[in-house]
Amino acid sequence: EVHLVESGGALVQPGGSLRLSCAASGFTFSTHRMNWVRQAPGKGLEWVSYISSSGSTIYYADSVRGRFTISRDNAKNSLYLQVNSLRAEDTAVYYCARYVADSGDYSDFWGQGTLVTVSS
Amino acid sequence: SYVLSQSPSVSVAPGETARIYCGGHNVGSKSVHWYQQKPGQAPVLVVYNDTDRPSGIPERFSGSNSGNTATLTISRVEAGDEADYYCQVWDSSSDHVVFGGGTKLTVL
Repeated sequence: EVHLVESGGALVQPGGSLRLSCAASGFTFSTHRMNWVRQAPGKGLEWVSYISSSGSTIYYADSVRGRFTISRDNAKNSLYLQVNSLRAEDTAVYYCARYVADSGDYSDFWGQGTLVTVSS
Repeated sequence: SYVLSQSPSVSVAPGETARIYCGGHNVGSKSVHWYQQKPGQAPVLVVYNDTDRPSGIPERFSGSNSGNTATLTISRVEAGDEADYYCQVWDSSSDHVVFGGGTKLTVL
């Protein structure tokens, strides 16, 4: 059974940093692309970042480019999101999601999310 | 950048058919995917590649996509279908995943 567990969310001051983690199990992590998607309180889903299976291809949403860094460690079955220069508008639940790219591109399994709150 | 538009809310009575629309320029040329999200829970994929259902998703959930509108159809709506529904595409021109704003389905 596919299992994704996020961690690392916390209350942080504006300008601060965090490292979010996503532990994957139940599938061959090294052969799957992955995404981070966030959801601000009471708002819709917002895609944050994508990473290919090897880590060689990475994309970011315009709202986070230059501040957030996605990475992965296939030996540890783990996905990461380094979030820097945090702003109030980055407050959200951050989900990691397994990404499938066949005839379409979609996320077939999601973790339960980790909450990042940016406030002074 | 590419934009997907969804109506904020839809209401239907139990047993009726709910149709949730997702509009985008020539969205029929893209593959559209749909997610269901219940309060306090992570999103769940309910339709992918316009019309396909993941295992475990009831046949009551179906999708279509043509022209500028993709549609998620939920037949014989049940109280348990009450949730937010999001459409999503991959925009190859910007290398971005794009979500619609979401539609809240209320079962009367």
